Amino acid sequence: QLQLQESGSALVKPSQTLSLTCAVSGGSINTEGHSWSWVRQPPGQGLEWIAYIHHRGTTYYNPSLQSRVSISVDKSRNHFSLELNSVTAADTAVYYCARVELRHFDFGTFDIWGHGTMVAVSS
Amino acid sequence: ELVMTQSPATLSVSPGERATLSCRASQTVGSNVAWYQHKPGQAPRLLIYGASTRATGVPARFSASGSGTEFALTISSLQSEDFGVYYCQQYNIWPLFGPGTKVDIK
Repeated sequence: QLQLQESGSALVKPSQTLSLTCAVSGGSINTEGHSWSWVRQPPGQGLEWIAYIHHRGTTYYNPSLQSRVSISVDKSRNHFSLELNSVTAADTAVYYCARVELRHFDFGTFDIWGHGTMVAVSS
Repeated sequence: ELVMTQSPATLSVSPGERATLSCRASQTVGSNVAWYQHKPGQAPRLLIYGASTRATGVPARFSASGSGTEFALTISSLQSEDFGVYYCQQYNIWPLFGPGTKVDIK
């Protein structure tokens, strides 16, 4: 059974870079028909998609975050990562990694999720 | 700019009652809509994709319909474990979630 597990810093200072990794276990990250993604939920708010990366390396970013975000995949380690730079308090959120089942061209549904990791931006 | 809206913001329902949640897209998204259930402290759970297809393991009391810009999720007889926040998400273009509908106990 495929499982995802987020890891990374729980506290990041303003203006610094938030870095998270999602370890994929129970299956390969290098599979057709899926991509890998990050979604976040600020306290008291709804879900916000951040970024996708396909197994072939194609990336898509939320336009509102595109200038600050980068997603990458390490097939040898079976994990993918997120970097968000120049963070502010508005980036405080629970960050989830998720597998995407591709259903409509390069996009689809989030069918398997990690448990989420809380990241606070504070000095 | 594509915007997803959901109504109502909160729905108070007694166990055993029927609940209908609505989702609207500001422009057509075809049938490229999914629904998720999200409970506090847990990861979201995919319920529906393709506007009306239940995901694996989702009980038959969950049904959904719609296409274009109007979508609905119905829970035919609410169980205690169904309380939480429900999000619609379009994937016609890059993913966009609605603001959610909170289903709580009446």
